[in-house]
Amino acid sequence: DIQMTQSPSSLSASVGDRVTITCRASQSINNYLNWYQQKPGKAPKFLMFAVSNLESGVPSRFSGSGSGTDFTLTISSLQPEDFATYYCQQNYITPYTFGQGTKLDIK
Amino acid sequence: QVQLQESGPGLLKPSETLSLTCTFSGGSISHYYWSWIRQPPGKGLEWIGFIQNTGKNDYNPSLKSRVTISLDTSKNQFSLSLTSLSAADTAAYYCAASGYNSGWFDHWGQGTLVIVSS
Repeated sequence: DIQMTQSPSSLSASVGDRVTITCRASQSINNYLNWYQQKPGKAPKFLMFAVSNLESGVPSRFSGSGSGTDFTLTISSLQPEDFATYYCQQNYITPYTFGQGTKLDIK
Repeated sequence: QVQLQESGPGLLKPSETLSLTCTFSGGSISHYYWSWIRQPPGKGLEWIGFIQNTGKNDYNPSLKSRVTISLDTSKNQFSLSLTSLSAADTAAYYCAASGYNSGWFDHWGQGTLVIVSS
């Protein structure tokens, strides 16, 4: 299985901050990398596919980059509704696997 | 807009079989792969497997010996069966849809918590 490792596991930030979350794959996954946001007690919400393509309705302050094994999710200016846990996921090959999550909370 | 809703028992005993159903609306069955994903309390997400509209399955090898995912097109439902339950199977179970062969999950059910305890 492809292992997905996110860093940091948790992150404290303030409204208006720029934050970056990293996701590393145990082998090259080309651009088969997706991101989700999850709030407590809720299902994950799909944010982005194929590294950098925003799902319809996702604000443009979210962006993604990377290729091969190293990827990043950046939020350019944090809004109150962005405090959540973020997961990366590879769809290069089954079994599809997720990172362990990065919890973003308010400083 | 595809909508998904899980249903099934919330409390089971060790060694029993879990049966969950996901009812979907708003989308064509042929346009999606239909998946189950689970999340133990306080932990990350684990993909269990999917079924295509053709009935073809793909399962996570870690669960393959215990899992069956089936599809009932007449009812717009797909189901998860997980046998030989243990406490390690305690989790929120989500059904999800992937646009045909996309491999990402753009629609999710709200999830249902399953507790395995004697």
